[in-house]
Amino acid sequence: DAGVIQSPRHEVTEMGQEVTLRCKPISGHNSLFWYRQTMMRGLELLIYFNNNVPIDDSGMPEDRFSAKMPNASFSTLKIQPSEPRDSAVYFCASSDGTSGRTDTQYFGPGTRLTVL
Amino acid sequence: KQEVTQIPAALSVPEGENLVLNCSFTDSAIYNLQWFRQDPGKGLTSLLLIQSSQREQTSGRLNASLDKSSGRSTLYIAASQPGDSATYLCAVIDNNDMRFGAGTRLTVKP
Repeated sequence: DAGVIQSPRHEVTEMGQEVTLRCKPISGHNSLFWYRQTMMRGLELLIYFNNNVPIDDSGMPEDRFSAKMPNASFSTLKIQPSEPRDSAVYFCASSDGTSGRTDTQYFGPGTRLTVL
Repeated sequence: KQEVTQIPAALSVPEGENLVLNCSFTDSAIYNLQWFRQDPGKGLTSLLLIQSSQREQTSGRLNASLDKSSGRSTLYIAASQPGDSATYLCAVIDNNDMRFGAGTRLTVKP
């Protein structure tokens, strides 16, 4: 398996523009997580899905952020409109989440977003 | 290449005990170190973030220390409770890379 795939790897955009980050989890994994990493705050969980259903989106910073998982092999994280403070590395991770046990999360390479 | 090791892999303690989880890393040139808690089927919950210039951080019953020169961090949990049962992960961030330890699975028995 190719692992978790994220695109684009780098994104530079101007304030106010819409940004869409994409993630393809490992085949067969049923849990998907979106994280944001900054030097000041470290890694923060934004939202996660189980069987394509959003379970906890309490980490989503504000209404400008939205995430979808239309099927088991694809998820998007959208920021509209983007702001300079959204600049960070966004990670997607997936796991073979089975209720009742802790499962290793496999991280993608991340998308480095810069909002000018 | 940075390697992160956590000891022990599993720990079981009675309720009320104070305990220490250990994290070691091989390259001291880090930007920061972060401790997480992972519950079954859930995302990682950030507990404490220690910047490279800091030596410790505290949050409630948790205290994390960082000794860059020796490549070590500890997570101290005071007066443990059954609700603390989870897997605890440390992650080291150096330059653009983030590396996790394998975690310590903690069970606190009532």
